[in-house]
Amino acid sequence: GAVVSQHPSRVICKSGTSVKIECRSLDFQATTMFWYRQFPKQSLMLMATSNEGSKATYEQGVEKDKFLINHASLTLSTLTVTSAHPEDSSFYICSARDRSSNSPLHFGNGTRLTVT
Amino acid sequence: DAKTTQPTSMDCAEGRAANLPCNHSTISGNEYVYWYRQIHSQGPQYIIHGLKNNETNEMASLIITEDRKSSTLILPHATLRDTAVYYCIVKGGGSNYKLTFGKGTLLTVNP
Repeated sequence: GAVVSQHPSRVICKSGTSVKIECRSLDFQATTMFWYRQFPKQSLMLMATSNEGSKATYEQGVEKDKFLINHASLTLSTLTVTSAHPEDSSFYICSARDRSSNSPLHFGNGTRLTVT
Repeated sequence: DAKTTQPTSMDCAEGRAANLPCNHSTISGNEYVYWYRQIHSQGPQYIIHGLKNNETNEMASLIITEDRKSSTLILPHATLRDTAVYYCIVKGGGSNYKLTFGKGTLLTVNP
């Protein structure tokens, strides 16, 4: 089945630094990937839609200059949390869909970000 | 996309069938019912989806009522590893594939 890989699975960074999270579709091509964020005991909240070769589309209330998304190839999207603050600590999850088939979205295993 | 309503939590004995209900009374004709689950500290896992016919795969069965206003996900022989939050999501077809997650049902499988 379709596999989505996220890296790193955990990261701790200091306040003010930037962190990059990678999302790869391992055995399929994805023109669109989605980035979600999940705070403890809450559901997943969609942050943005990552489009290969074009600008990402951000959900209302998500700062595009803080959460930089790059989707440079059909198998890789990256999310960079810039100038991270403790309130950015969260579980970040990406998802992707095989563009060549009528398959559902598949999700990565998430990245636990802790900003100290 | 249509809104869904699920119970907050359910319990099930190991080895028994787990039946998870979902109400989607405002579903429209071209909207599918998707089920995902999320085990603690992992990404969501796709389980099954359907439009109007019942569906079965190696993980579960999906029963959709004739009026399509509700559905039930059935795990035929629940194991401890099935303890997770189960999300029922209604999504239309077309090119917009993003999914909106509600609060889901926490299923706890007890030994």
